[in-house]
Amino acid sequence: NAGVTQTPKFQVLKTGQSMTLQCAQDMNHNSMYWYRQDPGMGLRLIYYSASEGTTDKGEVPNGYNVSRLNKREFSLRLESAAPSQTSVYFCASREVDYYGYTFGSGTRLTVV
Amino acid sequence: DQQVKQNSPSLSVQEGRISILNCDYTNSMFDYFLWYKKYPAEGPTFLISISSIKDKNEDGRFTVFLNKSAKHLSLHIVPSQPGDSAVYFCAAKRINNAGNMLTFGGGTRLMVKP
Repeated sequence: NAGVTQTPKFQVLKTGQSMTLQCAQDMNHNSMYWYRQDPGMGLRLIYYSASEGTTDKGEVPNGYNVSRLNKREFSLRLESAAPSQTSVYFCASREVDYYGYTFGSGTRLTVV
Repeated sequence: DQQVKQNSPSLSVQEGRISILNCDYTNSMFDYFLWYKKYPAEGPTFLISISSIKDKNEDGRFTVFLNKSAKHLSLHIVPSQPGDSAVYFCAAKRINNAGNMLTFGGGTRLMVKP
């Protein structure tokens, strides 16, 4: 029972490089979310997908793009990484009629 | 402008005593509140929640209290155990929120000393 799986777990990028963070859930959840966690800031929503085929901006979307590839997968792309994007990124999913999220274990990204 | 605030970055408690973690919010449109617990190198896990129509919810050693007039909620852990040492996030959901997005506080690091 994997839940929410994120890859990679760690990544170091140089400024200007691009990369895609992968997220997959096996719980048949409709909604998926990408958050970033920074010290003292809690978790801030980057993008979300309320259902397959839809995506919407969250609180801090600048510098990111997302793709809801299918019901299971929701990827986050950094087109041109900046040091300000150094953070821990969490993917989460939610089942219908339940407000709580199931989170993945996170991707720690460092941009130098 | 943080709509959900946890003003204490850290809290240290002796094993067996009560831990009280506090959370304040500013948006009166929040109608559901949750607490998450996070260990290092892991994702947050759901702990307990409360609807705005209630003022208390209890689950074993964990109790959440909601004071709507003060826009304040608290998490009580009794008795505290060393395994409770973690970062605790409170989160809130706004009514009529199509994506059921949660707004999180900054977190409080709880340390329970043996």
